[in-house]
Amino acid sequence: GAGVSQSPSNKVTEKGKDVELRCDPISGHTALYWYRQRLGQGLEFLIYFQGNSAPDKSGLPSDRFSAERTGESVSTLTIQRTQQEDSAVYLCASSSRPGPDTQYFGPGTRLTVL
Amino acid sequence: AQSVTQPDIHITVSEGASLELRCNYSYGATPYLFWYVQSPGQGLQLLLKYFSGDTLVQGIKGFEAEFKRSQSSFNLRKPSVHWSDAAEYFCAVGAENYGGSQGNLIFGKGTKLSVKP
Repeated sequence: GAGVSQSPSNKVTEKGKDVELRCDPISGHTALYWYRQRLGQGLEFLIYFQGNSAPDKSGLPSDRFSAERTGESVSTLTIQRTQQEDSAVYLCASSSRPGPDTQYFGPGTRLTVL
Repeated sequence: AQSVTQPDIHITVSEGASLELRCNYSYGATPYLFWYVQSPGQGLQLLLKYFSGDTLVQGIKGFEAEFKRSQSSFNLRKPSVHWSDAAEYFCAVGAENYGGSQGNLIFGKGTKLSVKP
């Protein structure tokens, strides 16, 4: 596709369940970013991939959060044992190269934890 | 720690009026600055960016922003607002961690713009 896509667009889950969020970046983009947007807040950086490697995982809010990227393409963000405070919109962005450059954002996945 | 402040949570302007959205940042070196717009149900779209050079930057949709190092500001302006400009606007700065090599962004909390007919 022409842009960054994310699935699902909406996810409602029960507290304690695991969820997987998917991001398909723009083809050929080597840098991939995950952000979290809580209601009324700015975007909070979670993790960055250069190729399939995540050199810095310090933005992940807890050890319940993990992410991987394969084939220098698709990335999945997994949240285990979801909590209500995990409710947010999770945004993925990609860029043609690491470092300061234009990031192209997907439409996001709205996660609601009941 | 780096931060971005957008002092106005919500602004309402009349269609055709001028607009200025404020953004202040804290950063040690020369910042990489961005303005993004988020329409309801949409992802973020880049309006403009400043890396170096001319401090007045032109963007899409008739927006411009001016980098003022002495004021640590990067305010967004538009001379005449259209109803379709109603959206949420985010200012962001490139993070300094790892010498900026990662490129992750630090965002302000956003300013919601409403446009009166």
